[in-house]
Amino acid sequence: SQKIEQNSEALNIQEGKTATLTCNYTNYSPAYLQWYRQDPGRGPVFLLLIRENEKEKRKERLKVTFDTTLKQSLFHITASQPADSATYLCALVQTGANNLFFGTGTRLTVIP
Amino acid sequence: KAGVTQTPRYLIKTRGQQVTLSCSPISGHRSVSWYQQTPGQGLQFLFEYFSETQRNKGNFPGRFSGRQFSNSRSEMNVSTLELGDSALYLCASSLPSRDEQYFGPGTRLTVT
Repeated sequence: SQKIEQNSEALNIQEGKTATLTCNYTNYSPAYLQWYRQDPGRGPVFLLLIRENEKEKRKERLKVTFDTTLKQSLFHITASQPADSATYLCALVQTGANNLFFGTGTRLTVIP
Repeated sequence: KAGVTQTPRYLIKTRGQQVTLSCSPISGHRSVSWYQQTPGQGLQFLFEYFSETQRNKGNFPGRFSGRQFSNSRSEMNVSTLELGDSALYLCASSLPSRDEQYFGPGTRLTVT
C-alpha cells in the first residue's frame, strides 16, 4: 500500500540547534516533493520544493534533500528559533498528476 | 495580492443535511484543489478543478462534489452529512506553470 511517513509525531529541540525532519514514502513515484508549514487553525504554507533529479535545495535557514533510492527526504532548519515551532508536512506529487499526497506531519517545538 | 479566501470559516450541521463551502483563489490562479484534514487521516486530497473542469479526484464517496466557475471561484458540496465528515476543509490554488499550492485558512465543519 502507499504510505508517506514522517519520522516522529513530535520533535523538541533547543533553540539554536538544527532540527532534522524525515519523510519516507512507499509505493510512490514522485515527480517532486514539497515541504509545508502549518500553524494551529491555519492552512499549510509552502516552504520548499525539490524535484526527483535534484539532490538538495536551500532557502535561507532551510535545507531539503531528496534521495529517490532511499525513498526519503530530509528537511533541516538550522539555527532554530521558537518562531519555527509549528507542524511540518511533507507532500509529494506523482508523475503526471497535480494533487498532493501529504505525510502525517511532525510537530516541532523549539525550546528557548 | 489577496490570499485564498474560504467561507464560511466555521459551520455546524446535523447528520443528513447538506453543506456548500466556497473558495476564492488568488487572482490569476486557475487551478483550485480541495483537501480534507482530520486528526486521524491527516490531509487527504478531494478533487482539483482547472478551467471549470474536474481534472483529478481523490478516493471520496460521491457525496462529495465540487464545481468551478468561470472566475475560478470554486464550491464543494457534501450531501447527506455523516459524523465522520467533521473536519477542516482546505482549498488551495496554484498557477498552471507553478508547482506550489497556496492554501486558504479552511472551513471547520462540525457534524452533530
